[in-house]
Formats: sequence, structure tokens, C-alpha cells
Amino acid sequence: ETGVTQTPRHLVMGMTNKKSLKCEQHLGHNAMYWYKQSAKKPLELMFVYSLEERVENNSVPSRFSPECPNSSHLFLHLHTLQPEDSALYLCASTKDPVAGYNEQFFGPGTRLTVL
Amino acid sequence: GESVGLHLPTLSVQEGDNSIINCAYSNSASDYFIWYKQESGKGPQFIIDIRSNMDKRQGQRVTVLLNKTVKHLSLQIAATQPGDSAVYFCAENQGGKLIFGQGTELSVKP
Repeated sequence: ETGVTQTPRHLVMGMTNKKSLKCEQHLGHNAMYWYKQSAKKPLELMFVYSLEERVENNSVPSRFSPECPNSSHLFLHLHTLQPEDSALYLCASTKDPVAGYNEQFFGPGTRLTVL
Repeated sequence: GESVGLHLPTLSVQEGDNSIINCAYSNSASDYFIWYKQESGKGPQFIIDIRSNMDKRQGQRVTVLLNKTVKHLSLQIAATQPGDSAVYFCAENQGGKLIFGQGTELSVKP
């Protein structure tokens, strides 16, 4: 186990639904990340939070809305998604994002299917 | 933009043989690289890392080589085992942001 947990592990939702993905890290890290992993494509960085402030938003559509209430928890709120949003959504954390030599620890991901 | 990529999408090796997975990067300013392993149904798992002031780093059964002249990174797995079957990613760390390659799928034949 990496110390990063994600729930749910699988989610099927319709295009009109609203759902949320949850990530929790038990490592005392200061930065958390959301990635999207689609088949045959590299991991795509979506959002970065450092000390609970959003420091990166990689041109992600507004139907994805992140929330970081504290340094241990990260949410991704989903609404009116499209079928092409179906993917594995990965959460990661790192101790000190500025240092540059810190590996990121990943959760197991949430497999999202949009019907 | 600059990117990190892998030479081969799939690699098949015989159990017990050594595996070599390659990665090309294009950002000469990057100073830290990581190899991750991702098994089916799991998130990426850290294997080994290397800083740009090093050419080689060894772990348990794994070795990472860095050739800055040609911007090439490789992961060597000694005595490959069935449990090594997974997708392997190299990643370039830029100020806390990881830029990933597409991944190489390693399959181990018994």
C-alpha cells in the first residue's frame, strides 16, 4: 500500500449525474494531484494543490471541479460529464513539490465510466 | 512542448532473462527522473529514481541508466519474474510536476 486511498474504486454514471471522487493520503504530504489516465495515452495532469491552495489547473473543463479541504483530503466533483471522460482517475501526493526530488505516491485510482 | 516518451509499447521476455525498457526525453533542463510500475487494476508504483548528476543507480534487481548526452533513460530488470509483468512508465520531474511517457507493457513468458 502506498498510503494514498481513493474511493470509490469503480463508478458508472450518466451524463446528467453529479458524483464525487475522494482521495485521502496518510503520509503527511503537502501536495496532492489529480491525473487522468486514458487507454494508450500518457497520464494527464489535471490539478495540483500545494498546502491546500490550487497551484495548477491544466485547462481542465469546468465539469470537473476539485476541492481540497485540508492537506490530507482531495475531492474531484463531477457533473454533466461526457462519454469521453471515461478513464482511470488517479490521485497522488508528494511531500514537498518545490524540492523537485520527491517522488509522487499514487492511489489505486477510480475507474470511471460515463454512459 | 517537450515530452517524455518510450521507444516500444510492448516487450515480451522469457522468465529468468534480463529486461531492458527504454525512454527518451527531450527536456535537457530536467534533473530528476523516475520509473514507475503499474500493474493491472492498480495505480503507478515507484520503482527507482535518478538525479541528473548520476549516470547509474541500482536497486533490488533493477538498475536505471541515464545518458544525458542523448537524453536517454533505461530500466534494466535482472532475472525477470512473472510478477514483473506490468506497464512501466518513465517520468520527468519538473518542479514537482511529473511528465509521463506513454508506457511499455512488459509481459513475462514462463
